[in-house]
Amino acid sequence: NAGVIQTPRHKVTGKGQEATLWCEPISGHSAVFWYRQTIVQGLEFLTYFRNQAPIDDSGMPKERFSAQMPNQSHSTLKIQSTQPQDSAVYLCASSLEGWGNQDTQYFGPGTRLLVL
Amino acid sequence: GDSVTQKEGLVTLTEGLPVMLNCTYQTIYSNAFLFWYVHYLNESPRLLLKSSTDNKRTEHQGFHATLHKSSSSFHLQKSSAQLSDSALYYCALGQNNNAGAKLTFGGGTRLTVRP
Repeated sequence: NAGVIQTPRHKVTGKGQEATLWCEPISGHSAVFWYRQTIVQGLEFLTYFRNQAPIDDSGMPKERFSAQMPNQSHSTLKIQSTQPQDSAVYLCASSLEGWGNQDTQYFGPGTRLLVL
Repeated sequence: GDSVTQKEGLVTLTEGLPVMLNCTYQTIYSNAFLFWYVHYLNESPRLLLKSSTDNKRTEHQGFHATLHKSSSSFHLQKSSAQLSDSALYYCALGQNNNAGAKLTFGGGTRLTVRP
């Protein structure tokens, strides 16, 4: 079991450029979650999918962030017109059920995004 | 909405001393499910322990926590800190409204254990 895979591990973009982050969940898991980690805010929920369907995107900044899950083996988080305040570690997690409040989430290593 | 508070952002201890990291939460639902995740440098965050049973001690890898619904607390403890315990610790609350499974995290506590 390779665990949750995230690529790239590091990304540097210029202000105004687009960034696409990739996540491959653990095989057999139904749900994929995206979080953002910063020193100031800690871990913030962004969005999640269950069986590829979007369930909750309440944490997503509406204007420049979007997420997709085109198939059960990968999800993408896209940030358009990146800004310096988007600099953070973006973490993807997957869970078996994606339903109920006791489901354990397994995290990937994260993508460290730096916007200059 | 749900919220989790970890009042200490930084905790520095000498090896061998006891560890206690505070976690309190707010939710309108009675079936709270609480988690502690640990994030070591250059690794992925991973589950340390979890509980939904009131007043029952949960243990894993030398750490323990007891969910107290009366005080909405789930403090993480260890009797004797080790150098290898240095990490970022997150307390999290599972979504309670049967509409999903997202976690609400506290701000995190960075534990540094010194020789």
